[in-house]
Amino acid sequence: DAGITQSPRYKITETGRQVTLMCHQTWSHSYMFWYRQDLGHGLRLIYYSAAADITDKGEVPDGYVVSRSKTENFPLTLESATRSQTSVYFCASSESARTGGELFFGEGSRLTVL
Amino acid sequence: DAKTTQPPSMDCAEGRAANLPCNHSTISGNEYVYWYRQIHSQGPQYIIHGLKNNETNEMASLIITEDRKSSTLILPHATLRDTAVYYCISRKLSFGAGTTVTVRA
Repeated sequence: DAGITQSPRYKITETGRQVTLMCHQTWSHSYMFWYRQDLGHGLRLIYYSAAADITDKGEVPDGYVVSRSKTENFPLTLESATRSQTSVYFCASSESARTGGELFFGEGSRLTVL
Repeated sequence: DAKTTQPPSMDCAEGRAANLPCNHSTISGNEYVYWYRQIHSQGPQYIIHGLKNNETNEMASLIITEDRKSSTLILPHATLRDTAVYYCISRKLSFGAGTTVTVRA
């Protein structure tokens, strides 16, 4: 089915471990985004990508690494997870970062770091 | 990045219109205003967007002031399923805390 999918939906890990959250979209949208949402707060941008092999930092990039070797995939890696990275992570895609082009969100990946 | 300001919460009676304000006084001339909503912990859902003119779709209407410093999202006949957090953003790069809308029977 067309859309944007995230995996895993739920993940529990321990401090110091590496975790990768996957995001896949089938629309061939140029732009992809990673946000985190902490309890009771809005969404904060971690990283975004304008195209394959082009990524840029958002508001809260520290502790995260992204890559975009293919247009349809935008994985987010926590190289050494910390408890403060316990959060819900949302991936989104869009045709454009500015004009028109709405954001399409995945269902979220709920990460708990013990 | 233009900052948007919304009230933290508001209540609305079922069947009545819900008017959600948003201030974006620093928005630049080519930046769109977007509205999204988030129900429970689902991914945010796009509602509507506009640049200068008022817009309407099957979900809502968007009224943008002539000076573009503020806008209002109108849910014409609120239902209990419209209970959600509503976000007004000017770019895709950041979301604020939004407005928690509670529709009461």
